[in-house]
Amino acid sequence: DVKVTQSSRYLVKRTGEKVFLECVQDMDHENMFWYRQDPGLGLRLIYFSYDVKMKEKGDIPEGYSVSREKKERFSLILESASTNQTSMYLCASSLPWWGREGNQPQHFGDGTRLSIL
Amino acid sequence: SQQGEEDPQALSIQEGENATMNCSYKTSINNLQWYRQNSGRGLVHLILIRSNEREKHSGRLRVTLDTSKKSSSLLITASRAADTASYFCATDAGETSGSRLTFGEGTQLTVNP
Repeated sequence: DVKVTQSSRYLVKRTGEKVFLECVQDMDHENMFWYRQDPGLGLRLIYFSYDVKMKEKGDIPEGYSVSREKKERFSLILESASTNQTSMYLCASSLPWWGREGNQPQHFGDGTRLSIL
Repeated sequence: SQQGEEDPQALSIQEGENATMNCSYKTSINNLQWYRQNSGRGLVHLILIRSNEREKHSGRLRVTLDTSKKSSSLLITASRAADTASYFCATDAGETSGSRLTFGEGTQLTVNP
């Protein structure tokens, strides 16, 4: 089974801190994704990566950056944490886009519930 | 607005009953996927249906796709209390390797014992 591991289940940080959320997958997947999930807003894509050192902005990249130095690891960075970044953060991975078959199923970690005080 | 929108937002049924959730979308798609999320956990992929398929089964799950109406439904038969979760549809409308899934806001299913 695919395992996607997020470094922390719960995290509390202070406004202005630089925050790192780590995600590791063990299935050699090319694609990796970071989402945030908020009540009433569903899942919103922050960034995704379809190869090492490649990244693409999602729908809400402002205030975030990402790093993918190795295939198995995708890091989300909050450059200067703010209270409106309090949320549940979900990492996912998948096999690559498959032509007319489209995007493959995504495998999710258990999430990091981040609180910014 | 969301590419995939689930209906209803919340559904409460008794154990043993069937549960039906619907998903509507706006543009043509390559495939549509259904996911489940238990409270406080990540999403788990349930089933993928391609645009050229009309129905797919997996255990107690049955998914239908009507591309002419741009809609899909997820049926869970003989529901159990353990089926209590949020269910999301996700659509893939992309044409390039940079495309991605767009998730709806989900249906919260409660199965009462």
